[in-house]
Amino acid sequence: DAGVTQSPTHLIKTRGQHVTLRCSPISGHKSVSWYQQVLGQGPQFIFQYYEKEERGRGNFPDRFSARQFPNYSSELNVNALLLGDSALYLCASRPGTVGGIYEQYFGPGTRLTVT
Amino acid sequence: QKEVEQDPGPLSVPEGAIVSLNCTYSNSAFQYFMWYRQYSRKGPELLMYTYSSGNKEDGRFTAQVDKSSKYISLFIRDSQPSDSATYLCAMRHNTNAGKSTFGDGTTLTVKP
Repeated sequence: DAGVTQSPTHLIKTRGQHVTLRCSPISGHKSVSWYQQVLGQGPQFIFQYYEKEERGRGNFPDRFSARQFPNYSSELNVNALLLGDSALYLCASRPGTVGGIYEQYFGPGTRLTVT
Repeated sequence: QKEVEQDPGPLSVPEGAIVSLNCTYSNSAFQYFMWYRQYSRKGPELLMYTYSSGNKEDGRFTAQVDKSSKYISLFIRDSQPSDSATYLCAMRHNTNAGKSTFGDGTTLTVKP
């Protein structure tokens, strides 16, 4: 079975630009979460979506937004990029509902570099 | 202060050694405790998860949770060079399973 897939793998953007990152969850998984991982740190929670609705948001500015589509894929958008947005962006999916016992499975990430 | 603190390492051990990785946390509402392995520039891979206090064993890996002390551990027996990676502890509430709080990771090197 295919795992969580993310695209693109890498990208380089300039300060002030906008970026869209994409994620396809494991087949059958309806919950998608986004995390930001800065080099040398653990992943930080950005958003969770379940059944196309936002179910949680971390401590990130409004420049960050996301959505989930009817096929449960998701995209993360970041506007007005700053140098500090350079990081590995991780998508994770899980089965089940918002709570419960099932754990998340992560994709390979998109490495964003802002220059 | 961070909700989850992880022994920073790095840790270097000879092949065959027993490895102990540790995290402490401050939020007593956490109920699920996970360990992920992350190779360089890759996504985290779920190794083990435990609900509430107790031990869980899976092959060479044992996870321990002590909720009274707010302390979790991962033990790796008979460590192999292929175990060389960064290990991340993570924890979450029951009601929002898509939001985990992570430690900053411990980088382990197992030397042949």
